[in-house]
Amino acid sequence: GQQVMQIPQYQHVQEGEDFTTYCNSSTTLSNIQWYKQRPGGHPVFLIQLVKSGEVKKQKRLTFQFGEAKKNSSLHITATQTTDVGTYFCAGSRAGNNRKLIWGLGTSLAVNP
Amino acid sequence: DAMVIQNPRYQVTQFGKPVTLSCSQTLNHNVMYWYQQKSSQAPKLLFHYYDKDFNNEADTPDNFQSRRPNTSFCFLDIRSPGLGDAAMYLCATSRDSYSGGYTFGSGTRLTVV
Repeated sequence: GQQVMQIPQYQHVQEGEDFTTYCNSSTTLSNIQWYKQRPGGHPVFLIQLVKSGEVKKQKRLTFQFGEAKKNSSLHITATQTTDVGTYFCAGSRAGNNRKLIWGLGTSLAVNP
Repeated sequence: DAMVIQNPRYQVTQFGKPVTLSCSQTLNHNVMYWYQQKSSQAPKLLFHYYDKDFNNEADTPDNFQSRRPNTSFCFLDIRSPGLGDAAMYLCATSRDSYSGGYTFGSGTRLTVV
């Protein structure tokens, strides 16, 4: 079936270091969404990418959607302890946003 | 503020005793979802409503049922909880079927004893 692979599964960084998580889909996606889930919390929507090659920034976070719309990445510059959590990508096929295909998530730990 | 509210935050139920989890939203979103999330896993979609149209996932056990009496409320009924049903249950909404992020509630953590 359709899958979204996400790597790495875990990442430990020192505060101030950069962090990147990658998602790859077995099929072309209509759009991809990114969520952050703090420990003990619920997923919080960060952003949606729709266009091929799209790049969006939110302060220290940079999101990219690949040209083939099969891969995506989230890059955090100069991590802070507030960045701790699990980052999920979730993609949808054309015309079916009601069926998100979730990556397994990347759990980020930041050492102060 | 517009939001998605889940009650209760924690629920303990006995093995085999029916339990109902509730979700309400003030966003007036058309679509409401129920997800199950176990520790260190991604959320797993159980079913969703588009307005009153119910959509069940193929691998959702019959033990799980849902009701959406109106736009604002949605319920998850677990008819005979087993130990394997212990999890975080997340309700989410989205405006429509084509785009836009989901808004999640804070979740209900279900313990089965």
